[in-house]
Amino acid sequence: DVKVTQSSRYLVKRTGEKVFLECVQDMDHENMFWYRQDPGLGLRLIYFSYDVKMKEKGDIPEGYSVSREKKERFSLILESASTNQTSMYLCASSSPVQGRGSAQHFGDGTRLSIL
Amino acid sequence: AQRVTQPEKLLSVFKGAPVELKCNYSYSGSPELFWYVQYSRQRLQLLLRHISRESIKGFTADLNKGETSFHLKKPFAQEEDSAMYYCALSGRNKLVFGAGTILRVKS
Repeated sequence: DVKVTQSSRYLVKRTGEKVFLECVQDMDHENMFWYRQDPGLGLRLIYFSYDVKMKEKGDIPEGYSVSREKKERFSLILESASTNQTSMYLCASSSPVQGRGSAQHFGDGTRLSIL
Repeated sequence: AQRVTQPEKLLSVFKGAPVELKCNYSYSGSPELFWYVQYSRQRLQLLLRHISRESIKGFTADLNKGETSFHLKKPFAQEEDSAMYYCALSGRNKLVFGAGTILRVKS
């Protein structure tokens, strides 16, 4: 069974801080994703990565960056946290299927509050 | 552009009643569609995908390319079906999610 582990369930930070959210998966998946989940907006893709050291912007990358130094780990970085980044953050992973999309496996989420 | 629309934010039904959660999509190629579910205090998980043509927990979903829809249906709702449901469209290894529909099953 795929396990996607996010380092924190709850996190409280102050505006202007640099924030790191960590995600680890144990199924040797090539693809990893970071989303934010907000009521009425669904899941919005922030960044994703197809391979180590590769990253691509999603739909809402502003104010965020990512790091993928190892295949199993994908980090989301809030360079200078702001109150509008208060949200639930979800990490996911998947294994690519030739020519098709593939189901993603999600972590429990990190509820981040920026004060 | 890829887009998924779930027109209902909240659907409230009585136990034993039929359920239909609506999903419409916009995609220029051959779509691959999924339904994900998130129960209270649990992680988001895959419910079903259209290519499998399977029934999971009594739910089914049929892809209608003419109407660009992928509605989720269950003939008799149960209280444990209460959850947030997301429809998702896959393209190039990414998923595009709808805004989600909260299903509340009342006893």
